[in-house]
Parts: sequence; structure tokens; C-alpha cells
Amino acid sequence: DVKVTQSSRYLVKRTGEKVFLECVQDMDHENMFWYRQDPGLGLRLIYFSYDVKMKEKGDIPEGYSVSREKKERFSLILESASTNQTSMYLCASRLGGSGNTIYFGEGSWLTVV
Amino acid sequence: AQSVTQLDSQVPVFEEAPVELRCNYSSSVSVYLFWYVQYPNQGLQLLLKYLSGSTLVESINGFEAEFNKSQTSFHLRKPSVHISDTAEYFCAVSSKAAGNKLTFGGGTRVLVKP
Repeated sequence: DVKVTQSSRYLVKRTGEKVFLECVQDMDHENMFWYRQDPGLGLRLIYFSYDVKMKEKGDIPEGYSVSREKKERFSLILESASTNQTSMYLCASRLGGSGNTIYFGEGSWLTVV
Repeated sequence: AQSVTQLDSQVPVFEEAPVELRCNYSSSVSVYLFWYVQYPNQGLQLLLKYLSGSTLVESINGFEAEFNKSQTSFHLRKPSVHISDTAEYFCAVSSKAAGNKLTFGGGTRVLVKP
């Protein structure tokens, strides 16, 4: 089974802090994704990466950056956390193209106070 | 740009009754369609998907969805729900033309009552 592991399930951070959300997958998938989940809005794509050191902006990249130094690891960075970034963050990975299944981690609940 | 609309944000239903979750997508090109389910306090997992071929696709736990190209819809149905089907359901679309991105709808929360 594919395993996507997010390092922290629950985080509380202060406004202005730099926040790192880490994600690791164990199936050698080329593609990795970060989504944000908010009630009524579904999942919105923040960034995705289709190879090591490659990244593309999703639909809501403002206020976020990403890092992919190794194939199995994809990090989401909030340079200066704000209260409107309080949300559930979901990491996912996929082997190959758009018809293949995306596998999700269990999510990281981030509260910015 | 591709987009997905789930017409119902919440659907209450009694156990053993049928349920239908509506999904419409917008895309000018050939698409792949997915339904994902999120049980309480868990991540999303694939329920079923349409890639090509038969327009009716089924899951192992009794759900089915039908791709209707003329109506740009991919509605999800189950003839008889169980308490364990209580979850949030997300419809999603992807295509090569959209850079292989997977775009989700807003989700439909299903609450199965005894």
C-alpha cells in the first residue's frame, strides 16, 4: 500500500512565525501535491511538484512556498503565518499522469493565533 | 480552466435508503473524473474513477457513478446506504490540458441516520 506521511497532525503557531509542513511518500512517485481543505470550499491546490527541484503554482500559492530536494519528500512553507492560513493541509502523491490515483496523507491541522 | 460543482453541501439520509450525490464539471477537453471519500478524522481515499470506456463505474462497496458527457455530470449513487457510509464525498476532475492538476468540488457531507 502507498503510504503518505505528514509529520504533524496538529500544530498551533503564532502570527508571523515561519511554519514548515513535511510530507514523505514511500512509493517513488514523481508527482507530489499540497492542498488546503476548508469547509464548503473543498480542496484547493497550493503547489505541486512533478520531479525533484521542480514545482508549479496551483490555484492559491500566495503566502506559501515549497521545497522538494528529494523525490520522497515535499515540504510546504508558510514564510510568515497569518490567521487566514488556519486550515487543514493535505499532502498527496501520484505515479504518472492525470488518470492515475492520487494518494493522500491524513492531513495536518494548522491553527495560527 | 476546469472546475467542479457539487450541488449539495449536505445530504441527510436514513439507513437503507438510496442516496445520490450530484457533480457537474466544466472543461472543454477530454477529462478523467474521480470520487474521493473522507471518513471522519482521516485523509481522502479513492472511491471510484472514470477514465474511458463504459460510462458506468462501480466501487467495491456498492457505490456507482455515471459519466454523462452531454450534461457534463458524474453523479454518485448508492441504492441502500449504511451507517458506515457517513463521510464527506468529493468529486474531482483532471486532464492533460490542465497540466495534470486534480481539481476538486466543494464536497458533500452525507449523514446516515438510523
